Amino acid sequence: DGGITQSPKYLFRKEGQNVTLSCEQNLNHDAMYWYRQDPGQGLRLIYYSQIVNDFQKGDIAEGYSVSREKKESFPLTVTSAQKNPTAFYLCASSIWASGGPYEQYFGPGTRLTVT
Amino acid sequence: AQTVTQSQPEMSVQEAETVTLSCTYDTSESDYYLFWYKQPPSRQMILVIRQEAYKQQNATENRFSVNFQKAAKSFSLKISDSQLGDAAMYFCAYRPPAGGSEKLVFGKGTKLTVNP
Repeated sequence: DGGITQSPKYLFRKEGQNVTLSCEQNLNHDAMYWYRQDPGQGLRLIYYSQIVNDFQKGDIAEGYSVSREKKESFPLTVTSAQKNPTAFYLCASSIWASGGPYEQYFGPGTRLTVT
Repeated sequence: AQTVTQSQPEMSVQEAETVTLSCTYDTSESDYYLFWYKQPPSRQMILVIRQEAYKQQNATENRFSVNFQKAAKSFSLKISDSQLGDAAMYFCAYRPPAGGSEKLVFGKGTKLTVNP
């Protein structure tokens, strides 16, 4: 089945530790995205990538880092510099082409709790 | 910057009835895309319906339809014959025209409760 996988579903870390969230897609999509979801805040874009080895900051990139070494994979690292890392993180992917309402497909998400 | 506003944090509807969720957006673009996503308790985001701004005809997907008013920058979602499985958070999203960043801008969501 084609889709997006995120692992793990729940992740617990101590304050001060970096943690990496996994996102893999087998949809052959060029573009991948990371969103953060907090209660009452909707989804906010952290980073996105249109092609391999290239990525751009979203609206709330501070304290996060990403890499895009393979088309299928777009891991997100939450660093100790992120002041409030506890949140629900969603990964998405889409076709990247001019024209057309190419919707984003979402993974099941990872709930990160930092104490 | 584009913004998306969902003015109803919560809505409720009786099973089999019809409910309309509101969404307004702000943009200076003339060509763009709009989406409604559903997030059930599992938290998996699911696309419900999409609308291209250049199309005057309102999009329809089975029991889901939109009322797209481009001049008013309004994009409401109508759910007919509501079912218990429709209970979820619903997010309205705006995407800029092609050639831009292609980023989705989301509203803060409306929580829909379906009463049996």
